[in-house]
Amino acid sequence: EVQLVDSGGGLVQPGGSLRLSCAASGFTFSDHYMDWVRQAPGKGLEWVARTRGKANRYTTEYAASVRGRFTISRDDSKNSLYLQMNSLKIEDTAVYYCARVFSSAIRYFDLWGRGTLVTVSS
Amino acid sequence: DIQVTQSPSSLSASVGDRVTITCRASQDINNFLAWFQQKPGKAPKPLIYAASSLQSGVPSKFSGSGSGTDFTLTISSLQPEDFATYYCQQYKSYPVTFGQGTRLEIK
Repeated sequence: EVQLVDSGGGLVQPGGSLRLSCAASGFTFSDHYMDWVRQAPGKGLEWVARTRGKANRYTTEYAASVRGRFTISRDDSKNSLYLQMNSLKIEDTAVYYCARVFSSAIRYFDLWGRGTLVTVSS
Repeated sequence: DIQVTQSPSSLSASVGDRVTITCRASQDINNFLAWFQQKPGKAPKPLIYAASSLQSGVPSKFSGSGSGTDFTLTISSLQPEDFATYYCQQYKSYPVTFGQGTRLEIK
């Protein structure tokens, strides 16, 4: 079955760290750019970060709101995507979704994980 | 950054109705636009990409149109399962941006 399973969310204090994971199955993970998208409670969708594949030297992009604090990475040998989140702020509280980019030419999200909730609170 | 503005922010309609949601980009994005449906507690579901191409498995009651800065999503013959929140997304340039969402409610 083609799917993404995100995990690693939880409760963390402001200033703390958390690492999210996303396990991919049913498709050739290494062929795709992979992203993280988040959604604060009751709010809309916000793009967080992207990692391209080996062909593009695993280059990355970040939203301004997380640049310098979050790091996206991938392990193609494990079909896994990660998001290391440091210096967490209350406003980072959200459901985090991993998402697959359809192709390098048509860069919309054609497959989503179920999401993992990150709560930043003291 | 490219801003994407959806309208209306909410919409009431009846089963069987046809509705249209609009998305406007702050600059020309060619056809680099997608539409998603989201139900409470669920991940977004892709509907349309490249402004008018239907995602595999999505019924033809959903259709998209537009190019440049103005886009529309049309849903015909509304059924109870269509009542949800809809988002547009531009992928012309970074950062990827989403519209604020349109909540479609049963009248």
